[in-house]
Amino acid sequence: NAGVTQTPKFRILKIGQSMTLQCTQDMNHNYMYWYRQDPGMGLKLIYYSVGAGITDKGEVPNGYNVSRSTTEDFPLRLELAAPSQTSVYFCASNFRTGALYGYTFGSGTRLTVV
Amino acid sequence: GQQLNQSPQSMFIQEGEDVSMNCTSSSIFNTWLWYKQDPGEGPVLLIALYKAGELTSNGRLTAQFGITRKDSFLNISASIPSDVGIYFCAGMNYGGSQGNLIFGKGTKLSVKP
Repeated sequence: NAGVTQTPKFRILKIGQSMTLQCTQDMNHNYMYWYRQDPGMGLKLIYYSVGAGITDKGEVPNGYNVSRSTTEDFPLRLELAAPSQTSVYFCASNFRTGALYGYTFGSGTRLTVV
Repeated sequence: GQQLNQSPQSMFIQEGEDVSMNCTSSSIFNTWLWYKQDPGEGPVLLIALYKAGELTSNGRLTAQFGITRKDSFLNISASIPSDVGIYFCAGMNYGGSQGNLIFGKGTKLSVKP
């Protein structure tokens, strides 16, 4: 099982450029999330999805967009990159079985906007 | 929104020592989770706690869900060099359509051999 796969691992963008961070999971999880992690901080939720075709904003959604056309894929789009979006981005998926919950994280995408 | 205070921010310990870290919240959670993050990697789940008062172990790690549901602690016994990393607590209230985690800012653990 690959789990949660994120690409690319690293990227440098110029201000105003756009890019899509890819996230794929092969565990048939309905719930998927995008977090950003700034130095010395915990993870903050950008967007999440409870299933294909359903997305919703998290704590810090400004400057980002998402889509969820399939259960497996949950790409994150930056339309006009800004230096404030320099961060490490983590995608996660979640299983919910009765009262049990478990998040699996990808290994992250380190983005620098210059 | 909900806030998590995690302490200490960092710890420098000698190999073999025990470690204790904790998280407190401004409001209650139904679930507490403890994660470890190695450099360049995503967080990996260590222990999940689902009931107030629950005490759960995973090898040398022990975590407890506070009775008030507003706190949790993680203990690591007899630390070893591979325990180095950043430990995050996370709280969640399941139910509804969200189930998203609120993370603490992490405790950075350094272990001297």
